[in-house]
Amino acid sequence: DSGVTQTPKHLITATGQRVTLRCSPRSGDLSVYWYQQSLDQGLQFLIQYYNGEERAKGNILERFSAQQFPDLHSELNLSSLELGDSALYFCASSVGDGSNQPQHFGDGTRLSIL
Amino acid sequence: GENVEQHPSTLSVQEGDSAVIKCTYSDSASNYFPWYKQELGKGPQLIIDIRSNVGEKKDQRIAVTLNKTAKHFSLHITETQPEDSAVYFCAASSKGGEKLTFGTGTRLTIIP
Repeated sequence: DSGVTQTPKHLITATGQRVTLRCSPRSGDLSVYWYQQSLDQGLQFLIQYYNGEERAKGNILERFSAQQFPDLHSELNLSSLELGDSALYFCASSVGDGSNQPQHFGDGTRLSIL
Repeated sequence: GENVEQHPSTLSVQEGDSAVIKCTYSDSASNYFPWYKQELGKGPQLIIDIRSNVGEKKDQRIAVTLNKTAKHFSLHITETQPEDSAVYFCAASSKGGEKLTFGTGTRLTIIP
């Protein structure tokens, strides 16, 4: 058990809808990262938050947004969903700002778009 | 940006034999290289990592080697066991070290 908690485990919705994925980092970790895992793209970094502030951005679509709250949990919002957004979404956390620090992953949310 | 290539994509070894997975990276500024193991229905689990000031690191049956000049690093698993069967990912950090770029994964199967 990594200590990173993600909810829900599975999400099934339709095209055009909006969903929110939630992540609670390990106790004491200040950074939260979001990754997307799909068969054709592999594991792709989306975005990082450190202590409530956006720290680094990857290939995150404009339809996607994230935030980190004062209690350090994070939410990833996906809107105007398309079939191609079906994937596993992982959250990871690390102790500090991320500079070459181990990232620990949750077990993910499987998003299926029908 | 950083590009990480991983080989082989699939690997089958007899139980008790060794397994080696290799990765190359493109960004000479990368200096942190973790390896993850992912089992079915689970998230990636960090199994070992190495920083650029070290050439080799060992943890029981698992070792990682790094060649900064050639920009490649390898995972070595000795005395393989059935529970080692999983998908293994290498990764490299880029820029400030926050973003991990992952390889495409190696599906390792241990044959009893």
